[in-house]
Amino acid sequence: DTGVSQNPRHKITKRGQNVTFRCDPISEHNRLYWYRQTLGQGPEFLTYFQNEAQLEKSRLLSDRFSAERPKGSFSTLEIQRTEQGDSAMYLCASSLSLGTGGWQPQHFGDGTRLSIL
Amino acid sequence: KNQVEQSPQSLIILEGKNCTLQCNYTVSPFSNLRWYKQDTGRGPVSLTIMTFSENTKSNGRYTATLDADTKQSSLHITASQLSDSASYICVVRSGGYNKLIFGAGTRLAVHP
Repeated sequence: DTGVSQNPRHKITKRGQNVTFRCDPISEHNRLYWYRQTLGQGPEFLTYFQNEAQLEKSRLLSDRFSAERPKGSFSTLEIQRTEQGDSAMYLCASSLSLGTGGWQPQHFGDGTRLSIL
Repeated sequence: KNQVEQSPQSLIILEGKNCTLQCNYTVSPFSNLRWYKQDTGRGPVSLTIMTFSENTKSNGRYTATLDADTKQSSLHITASQLSDSASYICVVRSGGYNKLIFGAGTRLAVHP
């Protein structure tokens, strides 16, 4: 168990550029979540996948944001035409759904910090 | 509206002292509550989970309490250490939801 891995750890880009982040969850975890966290605030839910299916999206996820998990393993989060307000920490988490109603904890990666110049 | 509010927003204590962090939630239906520790520049790490029927749970120097009637939880840290300096986030899961409702956190600084 190597934990949840996110890359890159830091991304600095100019306003208007596109950026893509990657998340590698814990290998046996079938659920994967994306969150956004701004300074001094708790994480805010963006979207989540069960295997390769994207089951829920927050209204925070504007049409400039897209997330994929093509093979039910790693996931990517892309932001197109970045804006100043996109500057934040983007966290990925994964968990194991047992299908019996039990709730397993979400394990978080260390995030990708995005800075828009 | 489902909300989780934490207090204080920030706290400074001396090494070796105890402290208590508060969490009030208005989440329905309630499933369970977790306290997470988040070091600067890192992802949150779970400290403890509280279910509806649990009042107190300890994890080393951390003790969490839950009062489901008043919808309040607390996290007590005893004999604080410099490594306890972090943000402590209260997170509530609402039954049937697959996403979590996060508080803004309490930023704790332990000084020598």
